[in-house]
Amino acid sequence: SQQGEEDPQALSIQEGENATMNCSYKTSINNLQWYRQNSGRGLVHLILIRSNEREKHSGRLRVTLDTSKKSSSLLITASRAADTASYFCATFNNDMRFGAGTRLTVKP
Amino acid sequence: GAVVSQHPSRVICKSGTSVKIECRSLDFQATTMFWYRQFPKQSLMLMATSNEGSKATYEQGVEKDKFLINHASLTLSTLTVTSAHPEDSSFYICSALLAGSTDTQYFGPGTRLTVL
Repeated sequence: SQQGEEDPQALSIQEGENATMNCSYKTSINNLQWYRQNSGRGLVHLILIRSNEREKHSGRLRVTLDTSKKSSSLLITASRAADTASYFCATFNNDMRFGAGTRLTVKP
Repeated sequence: GAVVSQHPSRVICKSGTSVKIECRSLDFQATTMFWYRQFPKQSLMLMATSNEGSKATYEQGVEKDKFLINHASLTLSTLTVTSAHPEDSSFYICSALLAGSTDTQYFGPGTRLTVL
């Protein structure tokens, strides 16, 4: 079964704008990870944040984690058309469970 | 970085046949591997957890007799879809947990199964 939910389910923005995706989960976790998936392709690991961390940055990505609210957010700044993809959060605690995903479309 | 391969990357078969998918950790040992299934425009659903040398643990609703998992070595797990039917058509993705790690997991590129 899936661990949690993401919102929005779909997001459409213009190039240069920021994109924020949220993820909520239900049980305790060891870490939370964000992945990107282009249509019909494999997963690309973006970032891992551990349960004792609150924020992490990687290039244009910023991830936050609030374990008290069991939620995380992924911010992509200065988006590009190449960022168009589905984004999934996944929680890990003995095994990895994925959220429903957000379909991001960045219009040039 | 660590690499996980899957073979084949794409397979088309007739209804009623069995298909075997291999998942290999190429440069590291994995005592635990996971199998996921992804239907079009949906998320990944965990099917089973495969532990080297022991029986796999299946998620609720996944038929263990239909999806046979073998984890015979620290670098290889196989998923066999037995008597495949069109509804088994899906994208199957494996991942491997780095031996000795509690959270370092690497994903394979996936296998696209189409059952006619």
